[in-house]
Amino acid sequence: SQQGEEDPQALSIQEGENATMNCSYKTSINNLQWYRQNSGRGLVHLILIRSNEREKHSGRLRVTLDTSKKSSSLLITASRAADTASYFCATDTGRRALTFGSGTRLQVQP
Amino acid sequence: GAGVSQSPSNKVTEKGKDVELRCDPISGHTALYWYRQSLGQGLEFLIYFQGNSAPDKSGLPSDRFSAERTGGSVSTLTIQRTQQEDSAVYLCASSYKTGNGLRTEQYFGPGTRLTVT
Repeated sequence: SQQGEEDPQALSIQEGENATMNCSYKTSINNLQWYRQNSGRGLVHLILIRSNEREKHSGRLRVTLDTSKKSSSLLITASRAADTASYFCATDTGRRALTFGSGTRLQVQP
Repeated sequence: GAGVSQSPSNKVTEKGKDVELRCDPISGHTALYWYRQSLGQGLEFLIYFQGNSAPDKSGLPSDRFSAERTGGSVSTLTIQRTQQEDSAVYLCASSYKTGNGLRTEQYFGPGTRLTVT
């Protein structure tokens, strides 16, 4: 299976609610990154958290990393319809390119 | 400055034909990556360049796929004798290394949607 696996595969919430997505991975990492993709085209980098960091914030985004459990979570607070997209975690082991998970499709209902 | 650009944005080709996909990375980014993404799926790593060399070609699915990078900049991904299963969005990304050798976030191009009929 892939290095990064997101959970859930799909998530539907109402505008204003929080959205939480989880990512699990298998091997040691240098950093873990979260990306967003609209309409199946280019990905946009959201946030990078290094292996020695436990939590990071960027605007309405909060990312946590638990290296002992090999897991990360992405929290989007006060979601908006414009947050509707697919979200991917990606792990950097330093040996090759990033390894992406299969993504979580988030639908925010207005 | 300009982001990562890819051309063409869409390509429809007949089974058996060869195609070339182009990627222009962000100026100064030494690392360049090719991925492909089938409909509704995650990203599948194809190949990684550091400068002009490709230390990791492990993701190329068959010998019909090849890629090169010249001048530490533009890269082309070539698919020979295309098959229907090659239909996907091909994404290119670039990044740079920090002074201590750590790679940073990747910047993606808009992708090339390849359809093999």
